[in-house]
Amino acid sequence: AQKITQTQPGMFVQEKEAVTLDCTYDTSDPSYGLFWYKQPSSGEMIFLIYQGSYDQQNATEGRYSLNFQKARKSANLVISASQLGDSAMYFCAMREDTGRRALTFGSGTRLQVQP
Amino acid sequence: DTAVSQTPKYLVTQMGNDKSIKCEQNLGHDTMYWYKQDSKKFLKIMFSYNNKELIINETVPNRFSPKSPDKAHLNLHINSLELGDSAVYFCASSLVESPLHFGNGTRLTVT
Repeated sequence: AQKITQTQPGMFVQEKEAVTLDCTYDTSDPSYGLFWYKQPSSGEMIFLIYQGSYDQQNATEGRYSLNFQKARKSANLVISASQLGDSAMYFCAMREDTGRRALTFGSGTRLQVQP
Repeated sequence: DTAVSQTPKYLVTQMGNDKSIKCEQNLGHDTMYWYKQDSKKFLKIMFSYNNKELIINETVPNRFSPKSPDKAHLNLHINSLELGDSAVYFCASSLVESPLHFGNGTRLTVT
C-alpha cells in the first residue's frame, strides 16, 4: 500500500504568490516524522522542513511551512512568496519511528514558478 | 566541507560489467543508506547500515552488494549490470532522529 501520496504531479505558481503542495500519508505507528525535500534540476536532494507526529505546532523554516493535520493524515508544504529558484521537484517523505527508520518517499510534485 | 560525498558522479558502462559506487560522510552520522531514483523520479530505499550493521535490505537483486568498512563509508557494488539498472543512485546518512543528508547522486547508464 502506498504510504505517502502526492496527488499533484505538476503545479504552476506565479512569482511572489504562495503555493501549497499536497501530501497525505498512511501509518499505524503512533510516532513518526514527516519531511519535505527539494530536488532542483541539478539533481541534489535538499532537506527543507521536518514535522514530528507529536509536535503541537506546525513547523516553519523561512518561507516554508508545513500544514500538519494529524487527523486527516496530511502534511502539506506551503511556500510563501514564490521565487523563480523554487522551481524544482518536491518530495514528501515519512519515517516511522519503530521498525525500519528509513524514509519512504512520495512520487513528487514538479513546481514551476512563472515570472 | 562537511558533507556526504559519492563518486563517481557519472558512470557509463556496458551490460554485463561490474561497477562500484563509493560513498563517504564526515557528518558523524551512524546510519547510511542507498536509494535508487528511477526515470520517473521515484526514490526507493535499497539498503541501510547502522554502525556497519545491515538493517535494511529491500527486494533488490543480489547482484547489488553493499559494503560498509566503517560507519563513515558505504559502498555499492553491482555485478553483471543490466539495462534496467540505469538510474540515479543516492547515498545518504543520518543520525537516529535527524533528517537524511544526501550525496549528489551517481547517474548510472548501462548500454
